[in-house]
Parts: sequence; C-alpha cells; structure tokens
Amino acid sequence: GAVVSQHPSWVICKSGTSVKIECRSLDFQATTMFWYRQFPKQSLMLMATSNEGSKATYEQGVEKDKFLINHASLTLSTLTVTSAHPEDSSFYICSASKTGTSGNREQFFGPGTRLTVL
Amino acid sequence: AQSVTQPDIHITVSEGASLELRCNYSYGATPYLFWYVQSPGQGLQLLLKYFSGDTLVQGIKGFEAEFKRSQSSFNLRKPSVHWSDAAEYFCAVGGIWQAGTALIFGKGTTLSVSS
Repeated sequence: GAVVSQHPSWVICKSGTSVKIECRSLDFQATTMFWYRQFPKQSLMLMATSNEGSKATYEQGVEKDKFLINHASLTLSTLTVTSAHPEDSSFYICSASKTGTSGNREQFFGPGTRLTVL
Repeated sequence: AQSVTQPDIHITVSEGASLELRCNYSYGATPYLFWYVQSPGQGLQLLLKYFSGDTLVQGIKGFEAEFKRSQSSFNLRKPSVHWSDAAEYFCAVGGIWQAGTALIFGKGTTLSVSS
C-alpha cells in the first residue's frame, strides 16, 4: 500500500500561536509532498509543493512566511502556521508522490487536519 | 490554462437509481485523471484513475469512469446508487511529472441520495 498519515487530525489553538502539522509517508519514500487547503464545502486549493532537501514552492497568494514548510526527509513534511488567526481556520490536507518516475503519476492523500483558531 | 470543470454542484439521486457525474478538463498534454470521494470531515479516497490503455476504468465501490479524449471528459458512473454513496466527489487531473506536479481539482459535486 501507500499510506500517508497526518498529525494531529484536529487542533484548536488561540489566535497568535503557531501550529505544526506533520505529514508522513508510512510505507514509501516521497520525493515530493503537497499541501492543500480546503475551506468548508469548497475544493482543494494547492498551497505549496515541498521537495525533500530544498525550499518549498508556494502558490501565488500563499504567504510563505506564514505557512512554513519543511521537508527534511523522504518521509516527513511539516506545515507550520505561524501567528495563526481565525481566518487560517481550515482543513489542511497533504499528499505525497512516490520517488521514481512511474510512481510520480499518483498522489496519496493524508486524512487531513482540521485547524480551528479561536 | 489547465482546469477541471464539474458542471453539477449538487445532484440528488434516488437510492437504486443510476448515477453519472460529469467532469471536463482542459489540459495541454495527455492527462492523468482521477476521481476522489470525500465524506464530511474526512480526507480523500481514490475511487479510480486513468493513466493509459482501456478508456473505461473500473474503480472501487462499483464505480466506473470513461475517458473520452474527443470530448475532454472523464465522467463517473454507477449503475445503482446506495445511500452510503452520499458524499462530495472530486475530479482531478495531473500531467507529466517533473519532480512532482500537483493535481488540479474540480470544485466538486455533492451527491445526495434520497430514499
């Protein structure tokens, strides 16, 4: 299989604090991981592409200083929401593509993290 | 520009009736196509995917989809809908991978099942 986990599955934090979300590929190596954001009853919007060992590539309109992404190993990427505000409340989903050409055709999604900022 | 269109925002189908969810894409090269399902508060579950070969693709839970290049479509079908199929359905397209390329998602179709 190709399993991706996220931790935590849900988090509530106070405005102004930082929150770290982990995305792990459990049984495969992921050269590339993606972070998506999903507002209620809306589609997934790509936030950034994370490549192991290099800086993430952010989509237009996504503040890279607010959404810090680190991809330090082939099985772990983290998204840190810094100085969170209520408007950052959302469902964050990561996905990972397997290392290797043929494996890159499919992404495997994590279960998502529900962030609520009070 | 690359895009995915799901024309139907919300569809209601009677239990036992057939279902077709529409998906049209705009992509410059041969696309890789996916259908995902999402229950409220949950992550995405892959229903089926098309990379190449037979244009009629079978997936899980009795779903199938047909790739029609001439129509740039990848419609999802199920012959008999069950109440548990009520969920949000997303069509997505991907392409040639160069160090990883993100999927482009449609806006989704909400499926309601009536008894």
